[in-house]
Amino acid sequence: ETGVTQTPRHLVMGMTNKKSLKCEQHLGHNAMYWYKQSAKKPLELMFVYNFKEQTENNSVPSRFSPECPNSSHLFLHLHTLQPEDSALYLCASSYTPGTGATNYGYTFGSGTRLTVV
Amino acid sequence: AQSVTQLGSHVSVSEGALVLLRCNYSSSVPPYLFWYVQYPNQGLQLLLKYTSAATLVKGINGFEAEFKKSETSFHLTKPSAHMSDAAEYFCAVSDRFTGGGNKLTFGTGTQLKVEL
Repeated sequence: ETGVTQTPRHLVMGMTNKKSLKCEQHLGHNAMYWYKQSAKKPLELMFVYNFKEQTENNSVPSRFSPECPNSSHLFLHLHTLQPEDSALYLCASSYTPGTGATNYGYTFGSGTRLTVV
Repeated sequence: AQSVTQLGSHVSVSEGALVLLRCNYSSSVPPYLFWYVQYPNQGLQLLLKYTSAATLVKGINGFEAEFKKSETSFHLTKPSAHMSDAAEYFCAVSDRFTGGGNKLTFGTGTQLKVEL
């Protein structure tokens, strides 16, 4: 148990489907992140949330729609995806600099392996 | 913008041999630096981090890394490799002055193979 829980672990979806990925942390962190990990490519930061407000959108296509209802939960809503969107989607959480925390670094979930067919 | 370069996408060592995984960073300000490990079908686990305290940082599983500003390096070492160390290792850098989130930029990873 890493402290960050992602569901589902595996997801296969058609290009016309709508699905959602869920991430949950109970570490008291106030920042949450979505990363995409594709084969042979570096980890790509997708979105950053601080205190449930989006502070970074790294030019992600609109077919990916994040939602952060509170500091403990993060969702990634998916619709009309393409086969090249198949990847491991990783959620992470951390403290935010400037909040008095000194324990920096992310805690990652185990990821959702997404296959778009 | 900060970046990290990991030299060698694949490293192979014998069990019991020294492990050396290389990471060089580029940052306009003194950075925070991290090493993460990823086992198959898992997320990333923090091995160790440098946040401007001691330049020699000790982490979990016997790993350590040394921050060398003059060389802009943060290489990861372990004196004696174990079969269980076989995994992918990622170096990451963060600009400590980033407002808002603590954005990490990752290297491309180094796959470590440990042979008998």
